[in-house]
Amino acid sequence: AQSVAQPEDQVNVAEGNPLTVKCTYSVSGNPYLFWYVQYPNRGLQFLLKYITGDNLVKGSYGFEAEFNKSQTSFHLKKPSALVSDSALYFCAVRGIYNQGGKLIFGQGTELSVKP
Amino acid sequence: DAGVIQSPRHEVTEMGQEVTLRCKLISGHNSLFWYRQTMMRGLELLIYFNNNVPIDDSGMPEDRFSAKMPNASFSTLKIQPSEPRDSAVYFCASSLTGVGNTIYFGEGSWLTVV
Repeated sequence: AQSVAQPEDQVNVAEGNPLTVKCTYSVSGNPYLFWYVQYPNRGLQFLLKYITGDNLVKGSYGFEAEFNKSQTSFHLKKPSALVSDSALYFCAVRGIYNQGGKLIFGQGTELSVKP
Repeated sequence: DAGVIQSPRHEVTEMGQEVTLRCKLISGHNSLFWYRQTMMRGLELLIYFNNNVPIDDSGMPEDRFSAKMPNASFSTLKIQPSEPRDSAVYFCASSLTGVGNTIYFGEGSWLTVV
């Protein structure tokens, strides 16, 4: 079965500092990995995805993620955090084969950026 | 372009009443997903359609829940009768077929059953 894990329930960062939100995955075959962000009382917004190719993926709002096959990780990063980045972040893998095309989500990491 | 459109955005209903949630897919998309979000269980897939055909409904909690796609661009999720434990945020999402394609979410329907 395919799955993702987000080991941190919460990440606290000072504004201007770099941020990392961690994600590890478990898949059989090639992984199709996604990051979404959820602001309070809103839906999930797509940030970026890894399908194939360059291991460093750039996305919306200055975020990027690095695919690391040997460590089975897909950590989300941003060089300089903003207070407005405070939100709930979800890593997901898109299921294939008998799991169809659905997204399988991690439990989410709450990012808090303080001024 | 309009994104995934869900209605109602908020619903408060009494236990035992029927609830119908509605979703309009992004134009041209042919995969449709209904997810439920709760504090306890996180984001869980309820049902997934591809080209109007239900592919995976293993997440539908019980017979009280039903989902349909009367046409290629519209879906409903019905709960009858509703119970307080159904209180959650229900998200509809759509994409093009293919695991590399992005799944786009609506703003959600916030359901409270009292």
